[in-house]
Amino acid sequence: EPEVTQTPSHQVTQMGQEVILRCVPISNHLYFYWYRQILGQKVEFLVSFYNNEISEKSEIFDDQFSVERPDGSNFTLKIRSTKLEDSAMYFCASGQDRGYNEQFFGPGTRLTVL
Amino acid sequence: AQTVTQSQPEMSVQEAETVTLSCTYDTSESDYYLFWYKQPPSRQMILVIRQEAYKQQNATENRFSVNFQKAAKSFSLKISDSQLGDAAMYFCAYRWGGSEKLVFGKGTKLTVNP
Repeated sequence: EPEVTQTPSHQVTQMGQEVILRCVPISNHLYFYWYRQILGQKVEFLVSFYNNEISEKSEIFDDQFSVERPDGSNFTLKIRSTKLEDSAMYFCASGQDRGYNEQFFGPGTRLTVL
Repeated sequence: AQTVTQSQPEMSVQEAETVTLSCTYDTSESDYYLFWYKQPPSRQMILVIRQEAYKQQNATENRFSVNFQKAAKSFSLKISDSQLGDAAMYFCAYRWGGSEKLVFGKGTKLTVNP
């Protein structure tokens, strides 16, 4: 069964460094998402992406964040200058459609900012 | 703001018994969807069951069923004949029909005792 994959599983970085988190969505999906979960807190929506542009974003998704689908298979989240509070689990998800349809989640990337 | 509350951080059940996980939500919208996701240890979140708000009939998927009380804004998950493989974190989530994002509760950790 097709799955969303994410790399790396764990990323450690220094404050102020740029990081790129990578995701490979399910191949026939058209909608792509990033969520994050700070330890002990709720899973929070960051951004959705459709037709090569951001379709919705949360107030968390400020100018230090960007997303890209550089080719037909990858979907990336870039954090330009990481802060301590960016330490979290980042989940990628993809879906065939919106609304009632399921979002399929990846296993997550644990980002630790030192 | 739309919020989802799961009041039980942890629950336990004996194998073969039935357990109910609670979820309440707050919204002023009429067009929305509700979901239960399961996250086994070190694995990705997978969809267990979903419900459209306009449907009065409670959704059922094999041993999993929901009790959807729209007026009370309650969406509980019942797991019948619990199995060891049901042990996981369970997240309740809400999605407004006009939005891409899932709004999650904090999750309930379910332990299944043999």
